[in-house]
Amino acid sequence: GQQLNQSPQSMFIQEGEDVSMNCTSSSIFNTWLWYKQDPGEGPVLLIALYKAGELTSNGRLTAQFGITRKDSFLNISASIPSDVGIYFCAGNGAGSYQLTFGKGTKLSVIP
Amino acid sequence: EAQVTQNPRYLITVTGKKLTVTCSQNMNHEYMSWYRQDPGLGLRQIYYSMNVEVTDKGDVPEGYKVSRKEKRNFPLILESPSPNQTSLYFCASIKRLDTYYEQYFGPGTRLTVT
Repeated sequence: GQQLNQSPQSMFIQEGEDVSMNCTSSSIFNTWLWYKQDPGEGPVLLIALYKAGELTSNGRLTAQFGITRKDSFLNISASIPSDVGIYFCAGNGAGSYQLTFGKGTKLSVIP
Repeated sequence: EAQVTQNPRYLITVTGKKLTVTCSQNMNHEYMSWYRQDPGLGLRQIYYSMNVEVTDKGDVPEGYKVSRKEKRNFPLILESPSPNQTSLYFCASIKRLDTYYEQYFGPGTRLTVT
């Protein structure tokens, strides 16, 4: 089946720093989605990407759909304490609504 | 407000006592899904539904049942819970955009089976 490798697994950064995380898949995806999960809560959709090469922003967040359609990255600029949480990438193949999830990147922001 | 609701949010029960976790969405989505989340294993799909009365197994369906009698509701049923079903459960409602899909998750139900 499809596999997603998400890295890094965890990161500690100073408030104000930029952050980058990425996902690679073993197969081509039609859609890449990035979610954030706060402790004890459900994942919240941050950004959805539909086209290879697409670059999309949501406030301080920017994500890109890789040209090969097998990877995506998420950048967070000027991190703040409320950025703390676990970030998941997810994707699905053409015509499929079933998502494959990465294992998550746990972000800690040091004030 | 568009949302997915789950009840209860927290549940502690004993082995063998049937329980139901409800899920409801107000976005008129046809597709819905149930996941469980466990440390080190990430999110795993239990069951999904493509429409009313249409359901199918996900990756980890053993020990679970679902029903979809109306579009907005998709309850998860544990007929005889066991301790290995202790987990964090999420319902998701799925928005279809042509051939693209976006999943929206409920707040989660933390289940403990003793």
